[in-house]
Amino acid sequence: QLQLQESGPGLVKPSETLSLTCTVSGGSISTSYYYWGWLRQPPGKGLEWIGNIIYTGRTNYNPSLKSRVTISVDTSKNQFSLRLSSVTTADTSVYYCARYNGYISPWGQGTLVTVSS
Amino acid sequence: DIQMTQSPSTLSASVGDRVTITCRASQSISSWLAWYQQKPGKAPNLLIYKASSLESGVPSRFGGSGSGTEFTLTISSLQPDDFATYYCQQYHDYPYTFGQGTKLEIK
Repeated sequence: QLQLQESGPGLVKPSETLSLTCTVSGGSISTSYYYWGWLRQPPGKGLEWIGNIIYTGRTNYNPSLKSRVTISVDTSKNQFSLRLSSVTTADTSVYYCARYNGYISPWGQGTLVTVSS
Repeated sequence: DIQMTQSPSTLSASVGDRVTITCRASQSISSWLAWYQQKPGKAPNLLIYKASSLESGVPSRFGGSGSGTEFTLTISSLQPDDFATYYCQQYHDYPYTFGQGTKLEIK
């Protein structure tokens, strides 16, 4: 059964860079059938798509975040990562990693990242 | 960006009721629509993809319909486990976008 698990700091200071990693188990990330990516959900609010990547390194980003986002993949570790630069308190959210086939499934359990000094 | 609008935002219903949630797209998305269920503190869970295809393991009381710009999620007979928030998502174009959510509450 495919599982995804987010990891990374739960607290980031304003203006710094948020970095998260998603580890995939139970299947290979090196498949041409799926993209892998990130979403977020501010506390008590709705879902926002951040971007995704395929194992070749091709990416798609939300234009609203594109200038600050980098998604990368490490096929040797079966992992992919998110970097979001110049964070503000508005970036405080639960961040989810997930597998994409257009629709999104499965999802990681999510990790809360708080931006605060 | 394609805007997705769900209605209602909140829905109060009783166990055994039949309920319908609507999702409208700002432009045609063919059948490239998914529905998710989210419970508090948990990640969303895929229910329906390609507008009407039931994800494996999802109870058959969940059903989806529609194409183009108007879509519905129907729960034929509400069970206690169904009280949650539901989201639609289009995957016709990047950036993928979601509806604002419909919270299904116990009446």
